[in-house]
Amino acid sequence: AQSVTQLGSHVSVSEGALVLLRCNYSSSVPPYLFWYVQYPNQGLQLLLKYTSAATLVKGINGFEAEFKKSETSFHLTKPSAHMSDAAEYFCAVRTESGYALNFGKGTSLLVTP
Amino acid sequence: KAGVTQTPRYLIKTRGQQVTLSCSPISGHRSVSWYQQTPGQGLQFLFEYFSETQRNKGNFPGRFSGRQFSNSRSEMNVSTLELGDSALYLCASSPEGRVRTDTQYFGPGTRLTVL
Repeated sequence: AQSVTQLGSHVSVSEGALVLLRCNYSSSVPPYLFWYVQYPNQGLQLLLKYTSAATLVKGINGFEAEFKKSETSFHLTKPSAHMSDAAEYFCAVRTESGYALNFGKGTSLLVTP
Repeated sequence: KAGVTQTPRYLIKTRGQQVTLSCSPISGHRSVSWYQQTPGQGLQFLFEYFSETQRNKGNFPGRFSGRQFSNSRSEMNVSTLELGDSALYLCASSPEGRVRTDTQYFGPGTRLTVL
């Protein structure tokens, strides 16, 4: 079954510092991977998705992620953190049937001044 | 296009009652999925509907049910509420739902509190 593991339930960075949120996947078929962000009291917003077209995927708000098959990873990065980036981030993998997403437990990003 | 809308946004019920939540997908989207989000279990898939048919169901008891109407709007129902049903219920829509590269677009959720 397809699954993802997010390493680190809480990550704290200073404003202007590099953001790195880790996601490793397990999949018996070529995975389709997604990163979503959730702000307090809101739903999930898609940041970016990997669909095998390119291993480096650029998303909204300056985020990008690199698919590394050899490491079974899909880490999310942003060169310079903004205060507005503070939120919960979820990595997800599409199930083999295609009907659903399996989500990681989420990583809460704190950005300090 | 308007996004996914969910009503109501907040709901308080007592144990044993039943509740119905509503979701209107993005115009033109035919697939609607429901997820439950809790602090302990995270985001879990409930079920998915396409063209008024349930195509897939997660590992939830039969107290959780849903349906989809001809205009793609969907409702989910929880009967005999338990304290553990307190959660944020998220609805997501996508064009077809089964294309593995399809994006699921999420609504703001309905926060259900069971007392």
